[in-house]
Amino acid sequence: DTAVSQTPKYLVTQMGNDKSIKCEQNLGHDTMYWYKQDSKKFLKIMFSYNNKELIINETVPNRFSPKSPDKAHLNLHINSLELGDSAVYFCASSQDQAWQGIYGYTFGSGTRLTVV
Amino acid sequence: SQKIEQNSEALNIQEGKTATLTCNYTNYSPAYLQWYRQDPGRGPVFLLLIRENEKEKRKERLKVTFDTTLKQSLFHITASQPADSATYLCALGSNSGYALNFGKGTSLLVTP
Repeated sequence: DTAVSQTPKYLVTQMGNDKSIKCEQNLGHDTMYWYKQDSKKFLKIMFSYNNKELIINETVPNRFSPKSPDKAHLNLHINSLELGDSAVYFCASSQDQAWQGIYGYTFGSGTRLTVV
Repeated sequence: SQKIEQNSEALNIQEGKTATLTCNYTNYSPAYLQWYRQDPGRGPVFLLLIRENEKEKRKERLKVTFDTTLKQSLFHITASQPADSATYLCALGSNSGYALNFGKGTSLLVTP
């Protein structure tokens, strides 16, 4: 199946730990994104990445770092986890770049992160 | 600051009626607007895209309008069905942006 897949689907961890979320797309898209959806269901952009070029959202703490081994993968590493990091994290991809706005995004099914 | 506002309360309608969802924005000049559907525990699914120079787009039972003067988009689902029950998100993009900005979504419940 062509899709955007994320692992793990659920992640429960203690404060202070370091964790990673993996994302892979087999759609051949050049652009990938990480979004955070908080408890109020608000989807907020964290990072966008186009063909190994990273565009960083300045409002994201330095504890969050994306890593892209190739254009089909965009992983998210989080250091020193805090309670406020608890949310659902969505990976997405698109065929074009956001400024072109020709195609819609394809989202993964999300990773629910709970920090205790 | 840029704001994208959708109906904050859930919309309940009867099967067969037309559902109309609203997306308003301020301090924003979007080049295009997209609508997504999100079911519980799932990621958003793309439905429709409309550009700033387009007034209306249709896809099967869906219709989207885009009024850049009113700074508003309306999303219509005609002949609604219980299977249409979900949260609907609007998202705006600009020619200088690097990602979509989403509204908080409106929950739609269609009852038989």
